[in-house]
Amino acid sequence: DTAVSQTPKYLVTQMGNDKSIKCEQNLGHDTMYWYKQDSKKFLKIMFSYNNKELIINETVPNRFSPKSPDKAHLNLHINSLELGDSAVYFCASSQGTVGNQPQHFGDGTRLSIL
Amino acid sequence: SQQGEEDPQALSIQEGENATMNCSYKTSINNLQWYRQNSGRGLVHLILIRSNEREKHSGRLRVTLDTSKKSSSLLITASRAADTASYFCAKPNQGGKLIFGQGTELSVKP
Repeated sequence: DTAVSQTPKYLVTQMGNDKSIKCEQNLGHDTMYWYKQDSKKFLKIMFSYNNKELIINETVPNRFSPKSPDKAHLNLHINSLELGDSAVYFCASSQGTVGNQPQHFGDGTRLSIL
Repeated sequence: SQQGEEDPQALSIQEGENATMNCSYKTSINNLQWYRQNSGRGLVHLILIRSNEREKHSGRLRVTLDTSKKSSSLLITASRAADTASYFCAKPNQGGKLIFGQGTELSVKP
């Protein structure tokens, strides 16, 4: 009965490859997010979707493309992976978009680029 | 720029002691949130305090908010080894994005 689940938990791949991370939430929330956490634990938002519509798109390279097939799923595809993409990527969800509700996080995907 | 700045960056205490972490911010808020992150896990929401509230409790956690000083504090009383984690404050900006601070790394020694 995991609330926000993302797969895979670990991803080790070569520079230049393309990879995807999947996220699903069973909380009935209408808003989902992707965050990137660097090695110093700094957490930065990348994207946010509300009812399958993109509402936040930070200054992220266009090699990163999110896709939300329905409001319970938000996937992240990354093309031409670079060394600097190594980080932990977190999916999260909340009810509403104005930041006055708690966000629920998955356990992260640890991406390592060789 | 980051909106939530935690202080101290790291804190080491003995089990049973209290731990206090502080968070400062720059612009006005309608709420401030505290999260915990255990090693290798995602963030877990602890407490949300609204701008018209001064104090909020949840079990051994107490959060205070001083909007005149633009600061908040998280107090963990009678700490346990299991409280060892990173603690983050976060506030929403005008666009509804949650802006996280850099976190306080708490170590509770048994």
